[in-house]
Amino acid sequence: SQTIHQWPATLVQPVGSPLSLECTVEGTSNPNLYWYRQAAGRGLQLLFYSVGIGQISSEVPQNLSASRPQDRQFILSSKKLLLSDSGFYLCAWMEDRYSMNTEAFFGQGTRLTVV
Amino acid sequence: GESVGLHLPTLSVQEGDNSIINCAYSNSASDYFIWYKQESGKGPQFIIDIRSNMDKRQGQRVTVLLNKTVKHLSLQIAATQPGDSAVYFCAESPEYGNKLVFGAGTILRVKS
Repeated sequence: SQTIHQWPATLVQPVGSPLSLECTVEGTSNPNLYWYRQAAGRGLQLLFYSVGIGQISSEVPQNLSASRPQDRQFILSSKKLLLSDSGFYLCAWMEDRYSMNTEAFFGQGTRLTVV
Repeated sequence: GESVGLHLPTLSVQEGDNSIINCAYSNSASDYFIWYKQESGKGPQFIIDIRSNMDKRQGQRVTVLLNKTVKHLSLQIAATQPGDSAVYFCAESPEYGNKLVFGAGTILRVKS
């Protein structure tokens, strides 16, 4: 069965420090991968998505970046965090939307607090 | 488009009543739609999906209705239970590409 791992669960980082959040998927190959951010009590904002190794689509210009060094690994990074980067970060995967199974699965999220 | 900056509206229903949660989407090129349930501190969980070649799809206690003419999606929950209390999001995916964009959510509160 497919599983998605996202870590860490919580993170407190000072302003100006770097960030690296990792997401890995098991039990599937060539998934579509997504990074979302959710502010407290708000909706989910699509940050990046990837349809293959090295292919990253950026939805919102900001000081975050994403990389996909391996088929089932998706990394969210920042060189210098801002206070406004605080939020709940969610990784998700979905098979190609033209496949029979197009359900998207989410990780448990990382709660990032920038202080 | 995404409404991530808005506070979420709340729907309060009595236990046992039916709930109807609505969602408006803006991209006429979207042809795949999904409803998610999110409990506090957790990631969203898939509830039900529908493709644009359908206008209704039923699951266990849930029904999704799609009106492409007015770009409106609804989720009906029958015999709402306390465990249904959560935030509900609709998501859309355009016909070409693999984006998955979420709409503004709705908080569902079930009163016993």
